Amino acid sequence: GQQLNQSPQSMFIQEGEDVSMNCTSSSIFNTWLWYKQDPGEGPVLLIALYKAGELTSNGRLTAQFGITRKDSFLNISASIPSDVGIYFCAGQVSVGGADGLTFGKGTHLIIQP
Amino acid sequence: DTAVSQTPKYLVTQMGNDKSIKCEQNLGHDTMYWYKQDSKKFLKIMFSYNNKELIINETVPNRFSPKSPDKAHLNLHINSLELGDSAVYFCASSQGLAYFYEQYFGPGTRLTVT
Repeated sequence: GQQLNQSPQSMFIQEGEDVSMNCTSSSIFNTWLWYKQDPGEGPVLLIALYKAGELTSNGRLTAQFGITRKDSFLNISASIPSDVGIYFCAGQVSVGGADGLTFGKGTHLIIQP
Repeated sequence: DTAVSQTPKYLVTQMGNDKSIKCEQNLGHDTMYWYKQDSKKFLKIMFSYNNKELIINETVPNRFSPKSPDKAHLNLHINSLELGDSAVYFCASSQGLAYFYEQYFGPGTRLTVT
């Protein structure tokens, strides 16, 4: 099956620093999504990307859909304590939808005040 | 208003029991999913339903049986529970099946089998 390689696995940063994480795949995806999961909650959609090369922002978050359609990155600028959580990349392939989302293994973001 | 809701939030039960988890969405979506998140936080699709029809059935033991009484509900029934079934189960929904429809997740049900 398809796999997404997400890195880094965890990040320890200082409040105010910028954060960067990425996902790569050996196969093509037609959409890349970035979710955040807080403890005891479900994943919450942050950014959705639908076109190769697309760069999309949501407040302090910026994500890009790689030109090869095999990778995506997420940047968070000027991190704040509430950014703590697990960030997942996810991708989907089919137009007809005969697949669900394939998830990366997550990046644990820990912010030291 | 909660968009995707699940009950119960926590479920503790013994091996061999049968249990159900319920999911409801009030988004008017046509497609609903069940995902399993293991102890290492890895999320994996289990089932997908579109307009009450099963679309995806990944390699999930047949002890797991989803049931969709209507488009707004997708329940997960688990027979003969095993220790390895302990996980967090998430329901999700989207407007349609295709990749350009975003999926929204419920808060999860933490199942513990003892």
